[in-house]
Amino acid sequence: DTAVSQTPKYLVTQMGNDKSIKCEQNLGHDTMYWYKQDSKKFLKIMFSYNNKELIINETVPNRFSPKSPDKAHLNLHINSLELGDSAVYFCASSQGGGHYTEAFFGQGTRLTVV
Amino acid sequence: SQQGEEDPQALSIQEGENATMNCSYKTSINNLQWYRQNSGRGLVHLILIRSNEREKHSGRLRVTLDTSKKSSSLLITASRAADTASYFCATLRRGSGGYQKVTFGIGTKLQVIP
Repeated sequence: DTAVSQTPKYLVTQMGNDKSIKCEQNLGHDTMYWYKQDSKKFLKIMFSYNNKELIINETVPNRFSPKSPDKAHLNLHINSLELGDSAVYFCASSQGGGHYTEAFFGQGTRLTVV
Repeated sequence: SQQGEEDPQALSIQEGENATMNCSYKTSINNLQWYRQNSGRGLVHLILIRSNEREKHSGRLRVTLDTSKKSSSLLITASRAADTASYFCATLRRGSGGYQKVTFGIGTKLQVIP
């Protein structure tokens, strides 16, 4: 069973469109994240939700709106897509935040805006 | 600069040699994790070292952590061509109210030449 799954795996869309990426984790974790990996491979945290509440918002444009309907899901909706949004987006989850806490990652969604 | 900066950013070695990558960070942490990412793929968790540990081994991997210097190193012994990938360190911090944050460095791109 896939621990953290995101869909779609690839997304090609035109500028100005609105798109969503979905993420689900079946690990029972209390925290979920979205990361953006740019062309230089830098992984930058965008959002973090703990028990469905927004904990971290790292100065992401408000065109990006995360939604967490329950602890197991954290979806990312992007309005008015721009060329600079092209990147790989990773969803992740973790539990507890203690010394043994490991972050589990999805396989990524490669978004290409044309 | 970012939490978790890897050094070097790129490393090219011959198969059989050892590869050492370093990571520095800025804040206090609960643990530090190393991940591998093959080209165009997702993140694979390699090893986790807790903030109260100094060294950890897993197969051909050896990780050290020096919290006084806020640095960690990943050693891959007897490298293989299949080790060619990007390697990231990630620090986990935990705050009050469920706050958990996993922050990545910029990564080291390792090339192992057969």
